[in-house]
Amino acid sequence: EDQVTQSPEALRLQEGESSSLNCSYTVSGLRGLFWYRQDPGKGPEFLFTLYSAGEEKEKERLKATLTKKESFLHITAPKPEDSATYLCAVQASGAGSYQLTFGKGTKLSVIP
Amino acid sequence: DVKVTQSSRYLVKRTGEKVFLECVQDMDHENMFWYRQDPGLGLRLIYFSYDVKMKEKGDIPEGYSVSREKKERFSLILESASTNQTSMYLCASILSGRLDEQFFGPGTRLTVL
Repeated sequence: EDQVTQSPEALRLQEGESSSLNCSYTVSGLRGLFWYRQDPGKGPEFLFTLYSAGEEKEKERLKATLTKKESFLHITAPKPEDSATYLCAVQASGAGSYQLTFGKGTKLSVIP
Repeated sequence: DVKVTQSSRYLVKRTGEKVFLECVQDMDHENMFWYRQDPGLGLRLIYFSYDVKMKEKGDIPEGYSVSREKKERFSLILESASTNQTSMYLCASILSGRLDEQFFGPGTRLTVL
């Protein structure tokens, strides 16, 4: 069974204090790993897709990296507007074409 | 911008009622999805549709059915609502196979009393 574990469950940072969120996964074969941001009362918003170990993608203060067992979402010099829940999901190569397995998310709070 | 809209933001129903949740997307996407999101469980796929009148079960289809009569509209039906179906329901759509561009609606928070 495919599994995605995100840690920590919650993270409080001071504005400007860089950190990383972790997404560990167990799948039969990885087709893709996805990061989303979700604001309270809203649907998730797509951030990144990673396909193979060693791949990295960046967007503003966010950088996602991928190894064979986990992915990290690095947040550099965060601002209060980065506060949100960050979701990780995987698409397994053995799964149906459209099925993702989601982690439970990391709730990030950035304090001014 | 792609827009995925859901018919209600908040809904309160009684046990045993038939409930319809509707989702509409305006970008001619082939594939549409219904998820539910619960604290401590994350997002779980209920059903998805890869084309009009075509559907497939996700991870938790029990107690739900779906309808897709038009490309832009995907409905989730709770035949007889139960309290354990109290949840946040999220609709999403993608161009065919493009999970890296999945657009979500704002969600419907359903409470079953």
